[in-house]
Amino acid sequence: AQSVTQLGSHVSVSEGALVLLRCNYSSSVPPYLFWYVQYPNQGLQLLLKYTSAATLVKGINGFEAEFKKSETSFHLTKPSAHMSDAAEYFCAVSDRAGRRALTFGSGTRLQVQP
Amino acid sequence: DAGVTQSPTHLIKTRGQQVTLRCSPKSGHDTVSWYQQALGQGPQFIFQYYEEEERQRGNFPDRFSGHQFPNYSSELNVNALLLGDSALYLCASSLLAGSTDTQYFGPGTRLTVL
Repeated sequence: AQSVTQLGSHVSVSEGALVLLRCNYSSSVPPYLFWYVQYPNQGLQLLLKYTSAATLVKGINGFEAEFKKSETSFHLTKPSAHMSDAAEYFCAVSDRAGRRALTFGSGTRLQVQP
Repeated sequence: DAGVTQSPTHLIKTRGQQVTLRCSPKSGHDTVSWYQQALGQGPQFIFQYYEEEERQRGNFPDRFSGHQFPNYSSELNVNALLLGDSALYLCASSLLAGSTDTQYFGPGTRLTVL
């Protein structure tokens, strides 16, 4: 069984500050890992994905995430927050063995203060 | 390139009624997955369709059923609606043969059960 834990349901940062959203996963097989962003009243938009290539993954809008197998983590970072980054962020894991269903964390709401 | 589309955008039903939600996948995709996102939570996997067959199912009762058509579009049906079925229903499409099986999400259908 797979699971995802996102530490911190709410994170608040100042504009221009570092963004760090935490994600830890559990998987019995090597995972595929994803970060999605959800703006109010919208669906999910893919930010980035890890698929066993480079452990440091770069995504859209300046976000990146690092896969650390020893820590079972896939934290999302952005060097400098922008007001437009305010949204809900979801980490997800899928089973590389072929089941393909995504298991999501409970989400982290990012607030960006001016 | 059209993305994933869903209809209707919003729907209000009463307890005990039945509802049908529709999804058209991204061009070139052959697999459709459905997720339920309750307020303040991460999406939960309902089921996945490929080649008009249910390929995988999450932990949802038989009241939830689906269908995939030859053009890859899909329907989600929910019978005997309960108050707890109120949620955002998300459709995601992907290409089964794709090496990463990235799922692309539609904007969702907001179902309210009164």
